[in-house]
Amino acid sequence: GEKVEQHESTLSVREGDSAVINCTYTDTASSYFPWYKQEAGKSLHFVIDIRSNVDRKQSQRLIVLLDKKAKRFSLHITATQPEDSAIYFCAASMRGSSGNKLIFGIGTLLSVKP
Amino acid sequence: EAAVTQSPRNKVAVTGGKVTLSCNQTNNHNNMYWYRQDTGHGLRLIHYSYGAGSTEKGDIPDGYKASRPSQENFSLILELATPSQTSVYFCASGDAGNYNNQAPLFGEGTRLSVL
Repeated sequence: GEKVEQHESTLSVREGDSAVINCTYTDTASSYFPWYKQEAGKSLHFVIDIRSNVDRKQSQRLIVLLDKKAKRFSLHITATQPEDSAIYFCAASMRGSSGNKLIFGIGTLLSVKP
Repeated sequence: EAAVTQSPRNKVAVTGGKVTLSCNQTNNHNNMYWYRQDTGHGLRLIHYSYGAGSTEKGDIPDGYKASRPSQENFSLILELATPSQTSVYFCASGDAGNYNNQAPLFGEGTRLSVL
Protein backbone atom coordinates (compact mmCIF):
# COMPACT_ATOMS: atom_id res chain seq x y z
CA GLY A 1 0.00 0.00 0.00
CA GLU A 2 0.85 3.66 -0.12
CA LYS A 3 3.65 4.82 2.15
CA VAL A 4 4.72 8.36 2.90
CA GLU A 5 8.18 9.01 4.25
CA GLN A 6 8.97 12.29 5.96
CA HIS A 7 12.70 12.77 5.96
CA GLU A 8 13.29 15.23 8.77
CA SER A 9 12.02 14.22 12.19
CA THR A 10 13.30 17.47 13.73
CA LEU A 11 14.36 20.77 12.21
CA SER A 12 15.73 23.84 13.94
CA VAL A 13 16.11 27.22 12.24
CA ARG A 14 16.74 30.82 13.23
CA GLU A 15 13.90 33.30 13.02
CA GLY A 16 13.84 34.83 9.54
CA ASP A 17 15.52 31.87 7.87
CA SER A 18 13.74 29.39 5.61
CA ALA A 19 12.72 25.88 6.65
CA VAL A 20 12.33 22.99 4.24
CA ILE A 21 10.57 19.70 4.98
CA ASN A 22 10.83 16.88 2.47
CA CYS A 23 8.51 13.93 1.86
CA THR A 24 8.43 11.05 -0.58
CA TYR A 25 5.58 8.73 -1.50
CA THR A 26 5.37 5.32 -3.12
CA ASP A 27 2.08 5.12 -5.01
CA THR A 28 2.17 6.76 -8.44
CA ALA A 29 -1.63 7.04 -8.30
CA SER A 30 -1.39 9.58 -5.49
CA SER A 31 -2.85 12.83 -6.72
CA TYR A 32 -3.39 15.10 -3.75
CA PHE A 33 -0.85 16.22 -1.13
CA PRO A 34 -1.99 18.26 1.87
CA TRP A 35 0.17 19.58 4.69
CA TYR A 36 -0.96 20.01 8.27
CA LYS A 37 0.38 21.85 11.30
CA GLN A 38 -0.05 20.60 14.85
CA GLU A 39 0.75 22.83 17.80
CA ALA A 40 1.55 21.25 21.15
CA GLY A 41 -1.45 19.49 22.67
CA LYS A 42 -3.76 20.44 19.81
CA SER A 43 -5.31 18.92 16.72
CA LEU A 44 -4.10 19.09 13.14
CA HIS A 45 -4.87 22.13 11.04
CA PHE A 46 -4.59 22.29 7.28
CA VAL A 47 -2.00 24.77 5.99
CA ILE A 48 -1.51 24.20 2.26
CA ASP A 49 -1.97 21.55 -0.39
CA ILE A 50 -0.93 20.72 -3.93
CA ARG A 51 -2.54 18.58 -6.61
CA SER A 52 -0.71 16.44 -9.13
CA ASN A 53 -1.62 18.70 -12.06
CA VAL A 54 0.76 21.43 -10.84
CA ASP A 55 4.34 21.43 -9.55
CA ARG A 56 4.33 24.54 -7.38
CA LYS A 57 1.89 26.37 -5.16
CA GLN A 58 2.37 29.33 -2.86
CA SER A 59 0.26 30.74 -0.08
CA GLN A 60 1.87 33.72 1.62
CA ARG A 61 5.07 32.41 3.26
CA LEU A 62 4.37 28.77 2.40
CA ILE A 63 5.52 27.13 -0.84
CA VAL A 64 4.88 23.54 -1.83
CA LEU A 65 6.84 21.85 -4.60
CA LEU A 66 5.89 18.57 -6.25
CA ASP A 67 8.20 16.39 -8.35
CA LYS A 68 6.03 13.58 -9.68
CA LYS A 69 8.88 11.84 -11.44
CA ALA A 70 10.81 11.51 -8.19
CA LYS A 71 7.61 11.04 -6.15
CA ARG A 72 8.78 13.79 -3.87
CA PHE A 73 7.13 16.88 -2.43
CA SER A 74 8.35 19.53 -0.05
CA LEU A 75 7.14 22.37 2.14
CA HIS A 76 9.13 25.58 2.23
CA ILE A 77 8.42 28.09 4.98
CA THR A 78 10.08 31.42 4.24
CA ALA A 79 10.88 34.19 6.73
CA THR A 80 10.13 31.89 9.65
CA GLN A 81 8.62 33.24 12.85
CA PRO A 82 8.53 31.72 16.36
CA GLU A 83 4.82 30.97 15.90
CA ASP A 84 5.75 28.63 13.04
CA SER A 85 7.15 26.25 15.67
CA ALA A 86 5.02 23.10 15.57
CA ILE A 87 4.88 19.59 14.14
CA TYR A 88 4.26 19.54 10.39
CA PHE A 89 2.76 16.51 8.68
CA CYS A 90 2.79 15.72 5.00
CA ALA A 91 0.17 13.40 3.52
CA ALA A 92 -0.71 11.75 0.24
CA SER A 93 -4.13 10.79 -1.03
CA MET A 94 -5.21 8.59 -3.85
CA ARG A 95 -8.74 8.18 -5.13
CA GLY A 96 -9.68 4.55 -5.42
CA SER A 97 -12.77 2.40 -5.70
CA SER A 98 -12.95 2.39 -1.91
CA GLY A 99 -12.84 6.15 -1.48
CA ASN A 100 -9.94 8.46 -0.76
CA LYS A 101 -7.26 6.89 1.42
CA LEU A 102 -5.12 9.57 3.10
CA ILE A 103 -1.74 8.46 4.44
CA PHE A 104 0.52 10.60 6.62
CA GLY A 105 4.23 10.88 7.25
CA ILE A 106 5.53 10.69 10.81
CA GLY A 107 5.81 14.44 11.24
CA THR A 108 8.61 17.01 11.52
CA LEU A 109 9.07 18.99 14.71
CA LEU A 110 10.08 22.47 13.62
CA SER A 111 11.67 24.81 16.14
CA VAL A 112 12.15 28.45 15.21
CA LYS A 113 14.59 30.13 17.56
CA PRO A 114 14.51 33.91 18.08
CA GLU B 1 -19.00 26.51 10.11
CA ALA B 2 -17.41 23.19 9.19
CA ALA B 3 -16.76 21.03 12.21
CA VAL B 4 -15.78 17.55 13.31
CA THR B 5 -16.77 16.65 16.87
CA GLN B 6 -15.31 13.74 18.78
CA SER B 7 -16.58 12.23 21.99
CA PRO B 8 -15.46 11.53 24.57
CA ARG B 9 -12.41 13.81 24.70
CA ASN B 10 -10.79 11.68 27.37
CA LYS B 11 -11.43 8.07 28.30
CA VAL B 12 -9.94 5.63 30.77
CA ALA B 13 -10.80 2.01 30.08
CA VAL B 14 -9.93 -1.33 31.62
CA THR B 15 -8.17 -4.10 29.75
CA GLY B 16 -10.71 -6.37 28.12
CA GLY B 17 -13.46 -3.79 28.20
CA LYS B 18 -15.36 -2.41 25.23
CA VAL B 19 -14.69 1.16 24.11
CA THR B 20 -16.60 3.19 21.55
CA LEU B 21 -15.22 6.44 20.21
CA SER B 22 -17.71 8.61 18.36
CA CYS B 23 -17.25 11.16 15.62
CA ASN B 24 -19.83 13.52 14.15
CA GLN B 25 -19.41 15.88 11.20
CA THR B 26 -21.79 18.54 10.00
CA ASN B 27 -19.98 19.15 6.70
CA ASN B 28 -21.85 16.64 4.52
CA HIS B 29 -18.51 15.07 3.68
CA ASN B 30 -18.37 11.67 2.03
CA ASN B 31 -15.08 10.48 3.49
CA MET B 32 -14.36 9.96 7.16
CA TYR B 33 -11.19 8.63 8.80
CA TRP B 34 -9.92 7.31 12.11
CA TYR B 35 -6.24 7.70 12.98
CA ARG B 36 -4.16 7.11 16.05
CA GLN B 37 -1.17 9.27 16.90
CA ASP B 38 1.81 7.84 18.77
CA THR B 39 5.27 9.28 19.26
CA GLY B 40 7.61 7.98 16.60
CA HIS B 41 4.79 6.76 14.38
CA GLY B 42 2.99 9.92 13.37
CA LEU B 43 -0.63 9.38 12.34
CA ARG B 44 -1.59 5.88 11.33
CA LEU B 45 -4.83 5.11 9.51
CA ILE B 46 -7.05 2.59 11.29
CA HIS B 47 -10.29 2.63 9.30
CA TYR B 48 -11.96 4.92 6.83
CA SER B 49 -15.29 5.26 5.07
CA TYR B 50 -16.48 6.76 1.79
CA GLY B 51 -20.14 6.99 2.71
CA ALA B 52 -22.93 5.78 4.94
CA GLY B 53 -22.83 2.02 5.36
CA SER B 54 -19.23 1.65 4.16
CA THR B 55 -16.11 0.91 6.17
CA GLU B 56 -12.66 0.13 4.84
CA LYS B 57 -9.54 -1.12 6.58
CA GLY B 58 -6.64 1.23 6.87
CA ASP B 59 -3.04 0.31 7.64
CA ILE B 60 -3.51 -0.87 11.25
CA PRO B 61 -7.08 -2.24 11.58
CA ASP B 62 -6.36 -5.18 13.90
CA GLY B 63 -8.21 -4.88 17.21
CA TYR B 64 -10.56 -2.20 15.87
CA LYS B 65 -13.94 -2.13 14.19
CA ALA B 66 -15.67 0.80 12.58
CA SER B 67 -19.26 1.73 11.91
CA ARG B 68 -20.74 4.39 9.61
CA PRO B 69 -24.50 4.32 10.19
CA SER B 70 -25.09 7.72 8.58
CA GLN B 71 -23.31 10.40 6.58
CA GLU B 72 -22.67 12.35 9.80
CA ASN B 73 -21.46 9.65 12.19
CA PHE B 74 -18.44 7.37 12.20
CA SER B 75 -17.56 5.28 15.25
CA LEU B 76 -14.44 3.38 16.22
CA ILE B 77 -15.01 0.32 18.39
CA LEU B 78 -12.50 -1.53 20.53
CA GLU B 79 -14.25 -4.75 21.47
CA LEU B 80 -11.51 -5.95 23.83
CA ALA B 81 -9.31 -3.01 24.74
CA THR B 82 -5.63 -3.65 25.42
CA PRO B 83 -2.94 -1.36 26.93
CA SER B 84 -1.26 -1.18 23.49
CA GLN B 85 -4.31 0.77 22.30
CA THR B 86 -3.52 3.61 24.66
CA SER B 87 -3.12 6.54 22.31
CA VAL B 88 -4.62 9.75 20.99
CA TYR B 89 -7.28 9.08 18.36
CA PHE B 90 -8.26 11.57 15.68
CA CYS B 91 -11.28 11.54 13.44
CA ALA B 92 -11.33 13.50 10.18
CA SER B 93 -13.82 14.16 7.40
CA GLY B 94 -13.19 15.22 3.81
CA ASP B 95 -15.18 15.91 0.65
CA ALA B 96 -13.78 13.88 -2.18
CA GLY B 97 -16.27 15.33 -4.61
CA ASN B 98 -15.29 18.97 -4.23
CA TYR B 99 -12.15 19.60 -6.22
CA ASN B 100 -11.64 23.02 -4.72
CA ASN B 101 -11.89 22.00 -1.09
CA GLN B 102 -10.54 18.57 -0.47
CA ALA B 103 -8.34 18.80 2.63
CA PRO B 104 -9.87 16.73 5.41
CA LEU B 105 -10.87 18.52 8.57
CA PHE B 106 -9.79 17.04 11.91
CA GLY B 107 -11.57 16.70 15.21
CA GLU B 108 -9.96 17.71 18.50
CA GLY B 109 -8.88 14.19 19.38
CA THR B 110 -9.71 11.61 22.04
CA ARG B 111 -7.09 10.65 24.59
CA LEU B 112 -7.60 7.00 25.50
CA SER B 113 -5.83 5.22 28.33
CA VAL B 114 -6.29 1.47 28.73
CA LEU B 115 -5.21 0.23 32.17
